[in-house]
Amino acid sequence: DQQVKQNSPSLSVQEGRISILNCDYTNSMFDYFLWYKKYPAEGPTFLISISSIKDKNEDGRFTVFLNKSAKHLSLHIVPSQPGDSAVYFCAGGLYNFNKFYFGSGTKLNVKP
Amino acid sequence: KAGVTQTPRYLIKTRGQQVTLSCSPISGHRSVSWYQQTPGQGLQFLFEYFSETQRNKGNFPGRFSGRQFSNSRSEMNVSTLELGDSALYLCASSLEAGPGETQYFGPGTRLLVL
Repeated sequence: DQQVKQNSPSLSVQEGRISILNCDYTNSMFDYFLWYKKYPAEGPTFLISISSIKDKNEDGRFTVFLNKSAKHLSLHIVPSQPGDSAVYFCAGGLYNFNKFYFGSGTKLNVKP
Repeated sequence: KAGVTQTPRYLIKTRGQQVTLSCSPISGHRSVSWYQQTPGQGLQFLFEYFSETQRNKGNFPGRFSGRQFSNSRSEMNVSTLELGDSALYLCASSLEAGPGETQYFGPGTRLLVL
């Protein structure tokens, strides 16, 4: 049973517009969430994280929103750039255990 | 500083064989975690090692094992390979095994079991 789910396998967005990637989790105990970006033939790279004590964390063009009651988080990329085209994984877990469960990924394609 | 390296990058085995994958963490990193990535399943946590000790283990059968050496390098072994073991195996390192440590991933080893 997947504890973290990304229900959209792919997303296509025009350059300059907003990209919104969604992620749902089932374990209400999770208190830490991360987003990773993965290019083909490379390992995932850390993008941004959020603790459950916050509902928003921003880093440049990337903002992660957390809705604990809905067990939902989203990653917003504004403005989207062609170089953002990659697979994005969200992960959730327990901060003190450093053990995280990953979603299946969403492939983002930003069209020039 | 060199990133996480994994060897080999590609591997083809047949059912019933065993395989050993290697991971060299970023210099100074003491924690190494292993993940399996299959289409549609995302990344699934296998295990985490810190200071040569297994700290965490995912829900994988005993055919999957690992170890960590004193220089923090880690190996993962899969015995009696099954077709379903075909996947990309990723290793990630972090400075410590403490809470929320950022993990840095290697490029992965792609294993194909025929």
